[in-house]
Amino acid sequence: KAGVTQTPRYLIKTRGQQVTLSCSPISGHRSVSWYQQTPGQGLQFLFEYFSETQRNKGNFPGRFSGRQFSNSRSEMNVSTLELGDSALYLCASKLRVNTGELFFGEGSRLTVL
Amino acid sequence: QQQVKQSPQSLIVQKGGISIINCAYENTAFDYFPWYQQFPGKGPALLIAIRPDVSEKKEGRFTISFNKSAKQFSLHIMDSQPGDSATYFCAASGDSSYKLIFGSGTRLLVRP
Repeated sequence: KAGVTQTPRYLIKTRGQQVTLSCSPISGHRSVSWYQQTPGQGLQFLFEYFSETQRNKGNFPGRFSGRQFSNSRSEMNVSTLELGDSALYLCASKLRVNTGELFFGEGSRLTVL
Repeated sequence: QQQVKQSPQSLIVQKGGISIINCAYENTAFDYFPWYQQFPGKGPALLIAIRPDVSEKKEGRFTISFNKSAKQFSLHIMDSQPGDSATYFCAASGDSSYKLIFGSGTRLLVRP
């Protein structure tokens, strides 16, 4: 069974631009969560989607948004990029909403110049 | 109150030794405590998890010890191996959404 797939793996943007990251969950998993990982702040929860609906949201500004499609694939978007948005963005899927067992992808490393 | 504090930040252990990583929390509503392992270039992977109705859970060489009154839990890696060298994250969750609050991570190096 294929794992969680994230694209692109690496990308470089400049301040003010926007970026879209994509995540394909494990087949059969309908819940997708996004986390931001930085050396300073660690792993921080961005949001979770289930059946195309946002179930939960972390404490990030409105520049961070996401969505989920009917096939459970998810995208997250960051608009008006800032230097501090440089991070590894991790997508995780899970089989059921009432479980803490997350299956993470390898992440999309975003560098903002 | 949503924080999970993890220590130490880094840890060096000789092969065959015991690695111990500690976490503390404040929110008494937390009721699910997993540990994740992350290798360089990979996403975190669930290692072992515990609920507060038990004080200890063991899976192979990995053991979680849980102290509800002290609001602390720890990961013990017995007979540590160089292949265990990775970053370990504790986490906690306390609502039906299972949104995980992660600790800051511990970078473990096991010397041969």
